[in-house]
Amino acid sequence: SAVISQKPSRDICQRGTSLTIQCQVDSQVTMMFWYRQQPGQSLTLIATANQGSEATYESGFVIDKFPISRPNLTFSTLTVSNMSPEDSSIYLCSVFQPGLPHYEQYFGPGTRLTVT
Amino acid sequence: GEDVEQSLFLSVREGDSSVINCTYTDSSSTYLYWYKQEPGAGLQLLTYIFSNMDMKQDQRLTVLLNKKDKHLSLRIADTQTGDSAIYFCAEKDDKIIFGKGTRLHILP
Repeated sequence: SAVISQKPSRDICQRGTSLTIQCQVDSQVTMMFWYRQQPGQSLTLIATANQGSEATYESGFVIDKFPISRPNLTFSTLTVSNMSPEDSSIYLCSVFQPGLPHYEQYFGPGTRLTVT
Repeated sequence: GEDVEQSLFLSVREGDSSVINCTYTDSSSTYLYWYKQEPGAGLQLLTYIFSNMDMKQDQRLTVLLNKKDKHLSLRIADTQTGDSAIYFCAEKDDKIIFGKGTRLHILP
C-alpha cells in the first residue's frame, strides 16, 4: 500500500491569492492524480501528473489556474491560482499502486481550502 | 456522459444492517468500487467487484451487482459506530468516476 501525506491540511485564503498544496508519497509512483471534492459533490479529477512530462488536465481545468509540478516519482504540487470563493473545496492527491488483482487507488488525507 | 448516482444520507441503528445503493450509466465499466471516507481522512478502498460478478462477500461487507439494471449495492452487516462515514460508489472504464457519496449515520 501507499502512504500519502499532504500539506497543508487546511488553509483559509483571501481571494486573488494563490496556494500551493504539496503531496508526498512513501514510494515511487508513475502517475499521481489531483482531485477536487466540493461540498456535497463527488470527486472530480483535475489532472494527472506524470514525472518528466506536463500534466494532463481534464475538461474544465486549465494549467494557468491549476499549475502542477512533478519533480520526482514521490512528490507533486498543485497550485490553486488567483483564488475565488468557488475554489473552496477539499483537494486530494491520489496514486495507483500495484495490488491484487489489479492496481488499487490510494488517496491522501486532503487539503481543505476555504477562500474568503 | 458517465454518471454515478447515490443517495446522500442513510441513518441506521447500531447492530442493524446498512444498505447503500448506487446506480451507474457506463455499461463498459470493468470494475466497480466502494470507498469509505472518515472525517478528516482521505478515501479508503473498502471493496471492489469485477463487472462479470454478481456478488462479493468480505466479512461484514456484501456487494451486489445487477449489471442489467446498472445497480450496485453495499450491505454492511451488524453496523457499528465505527462504520459512520461517507461511502463513495465508483466505476472504472478508462478512468474512475465517483458518486457524490452517501453519509452513513449510526443511531444508538
